[in-house]
Amino acid sequence: EPEVTQTPSHQVTQMGQEVILRCVPISNHLYFYWYRQILGQKVEFLVSFYNNEISEKSEIFDDQFSVERPDGSNFTLKIRSTKLEDSAMYFCASSERSGTEIKREKLFFGSGTQLSVL
Amino acid sequence: QKEVEQNSGPLSVPEGAIASLNCTYSDRGSQSFFWYRQYSGKSPELIMSIYSNGDKEDGRFTAQLNKASQYVSLLIRDSQPSDSATYLCAVLNTGGFKTIFGAGTRLFVKA
Repeated sequence: EPEVTQTPSHQVTQMGQEVILRCVPISNHLYFYWYRQILGQKVEFLVSFYNNEISEKSEIFDDQFSVERPDGSNFTLKIRSTKLEDSAMYFCASSERSGTEIKREKLFFGSGTQLSVL
Repeated sequence: QKEVEQNSGPLSVPEGAIASLNCTYSDRGSQSFFWYRQYSGKSPELIMSIYSNGDKEDGRFTAQLNKASQYVSLLIRDSQPSDSATYLCAVLNTGGFKTIFGAGTRLFVKA
């Protein structure tokens, strides 16, 4: 069964450093997302991406964050100048939704990258 | 007002019982509603989607939607210990590019 793949599974970094989290969405999916979940808290939307541009972003997704689809398979989240409060599980997700089938949005999640900022 | 609200629980039911999980949402324009299951330390997994008022059944799961009341629910029949997890209600916003999750309800099914 196709799945969303995320690497690395764990990332430890020093405060102020830059990290890149990587994702390979399901191959025929067209919409890509990043979510994060701070330990014990809810799954929070960060950004959605379609047709090589951001479709929507949350208040959390400020200038510290950026996303990129550098090739036909990878989807990355870059976090610049990391802060302690960026420590969380970061989930990539993708959906197959095509054309105007907005209603049929079903998210398939990767297993996540646990980011720890020290 | 929180966008998607759920009782955090925990909800504890005996094996074989019906578990009832509830959710309310604030965006009246939302058209798509989902239930995800999240085991501890794992990623969310879609278990049900519902788009029209009424009930939708899939195996032991029934989702119910009432758009007028902005209310979504999930019933799990014949609950099993393996159903013990956090259940996340999720709503696709009017714009169609942002799925918003509730904080989740923790369910414990006692053997």
